[in-house]
Amino acid sequence: QSALTQPPSASGAPGQSVTISCTGTSSDVGAYNYVSWFQHHPGKAPKLMIYEVTKRPSGVPDRFSGSKSGNTASLTVSGLQAEDEADYYCSSYAGNKVLFGGGTKLTVL
Amino acid sequence: EVQLVESGGGLVQPGGSLRLSCTASGFTFSNHWMHWVRQVPGKGLEWVSRIIPDGSGTSYADSVKGRFTISRDNAKNTLYLQMNSLRDEDTAVYYCARDEVYGSGSCGLWGQGTLVTVSS
Repeated sequence: QSALTQPPSASGAPGQSVTISCTGTSSDVGAYNYVSWFQHHPGKAPKLMIYEVTKRPSGVPDRFSGSKSGNTASLTVSGLQAEDEADYYCSSYAGNKVLFGGGTKLTVL
Repeated sequence: EVQLVESGGGLVQPGGSLRLSCTASGFTFSNHWMHWVRQVPGKGLEWVSRIIPDGSGTSYADSVKGRFTISRDNAKNTLYLQMNSLRDEDTAVYYCARDEVYGSGSCGLWGQGTLVTVSS
């Protein structure tokens, strides 16, 4: 199975909102409510930001939110801050596999 | 401290083998599905493999199936990845990760990664 599809880049000014999409198929994103989003700063371990489509782990600011419609999931970052600049990856359960998106580089202008 | 620490990475020739280890501490290792995820330098994350808490079930990405074997020793709180028939394209940072929800890929705890370089 191919990776999930994400835009390679996204950007926004401090305080603005940005949404990153993650498109899969009816066999992965569309089939299960097991979409996760990870924030990854180069040289550090990835950090779980959203799981089960909409849930936030303890300690993740409520500026981060997730949603899903059909085969496409989305991550919205509201009130952008400089420290939000990072690579963001989605993942989806796909039965006997896990798929990752290609990643989106978020730039805070 | 709750953490995962990978080891075993290094330089290996094409066709060679390497075994990665991931030692867990600070939590009940035997309760969790565990994953290996890799990142080729300059590229994105790629899921590699997953193992059920008691070790009785595993799954693999197509790119490594038949060459890599995931296993665990719950008595030693350690996850393993045996990598055989290594190829240039297996060069990557390999992360172990703890799943928070079944085996869904909701990985809430990651190690710092260990670099595997396949080159002659």
